Amino acid sequence: DAGITQSPRYKITETGRQVTLMCHQTWSHSYMFWYRQDLGHGLRLIYYSAAADITDKGEVPDGYVVSRSKTENFPLTLESATRSQTSVYFCASSESPITPQHFGDGTRLSIL
Amino acid sequence: KQEVTQIPAALSVPEGENLVLNCSFTDSAIYNLQWFRQDPGKGLTSLLLIQSSQREQTSGRLNASLDKSSGRSTLYIAASQPGDSATYLCAVRSESGYSTLTFGKGTMLLVSP
Repeated sequence: DAGITQSPRYKITETGRQVTLMCHQTWSHSYMFWYRQDLGHGLRLIYYSAAADITDKGEVPDGYVVSRSKTENFPLTLESATRSQTSVYFCASSESPITPQHFGDGTRLSIL
Repeated sequence: KQEVTQIPAALSVPEGENLVLNCSFTDSAIYNLQWFRQDPGKGLTSLLLIQSSQREQTSGRLNASLDKSSGRSTLYIAASQPGDSATYLCAVRSESGYSTLTFGKGTMLLVSP
């Protein structure tokens, strides 16, 4: 099915561990985005990518790493997870920088 | 820095009412504005995108208006239904940094039968 999928949907891990959240889209959209959603803060942009091998920081990039070797995939890695990174993470994609963004169903990440 | 505010934070109405959700933004130099719907445990669904040159966009029972100069947008929902219950988010694409969206915190809407 065409769309944007995130995996896993739920993840529990411990502080200090590395964890990677996956995002895959089938539209061949150029732009992809990672957001985190927290109570009281709303949605905040972590990183985005304009094309394969092109990434840029958003509002809250510290503690996160991204890569984009293929257009359809945009993984987000927490290199050493902290409790403050407990959140719901959303991936999104868009055809161009000005067209509507389409969102995945999110990954709920808990760091103990 | 662009800031987006949505009022009210929560709204409860009986079925059949017409209602208005408000969104304001601090920097009027925007490229476009997008309204989303978010159901519990789900991602965001795009409802309407309104360009800075437009005054209104309509989709079914939804109508979004934009007053760029005053930094305001409204989402009008006609004849509300229980299925409209969700959180509605407004997001602005500024002219500077137009690749990214700045989101409001949303309005949680409950429509009771």
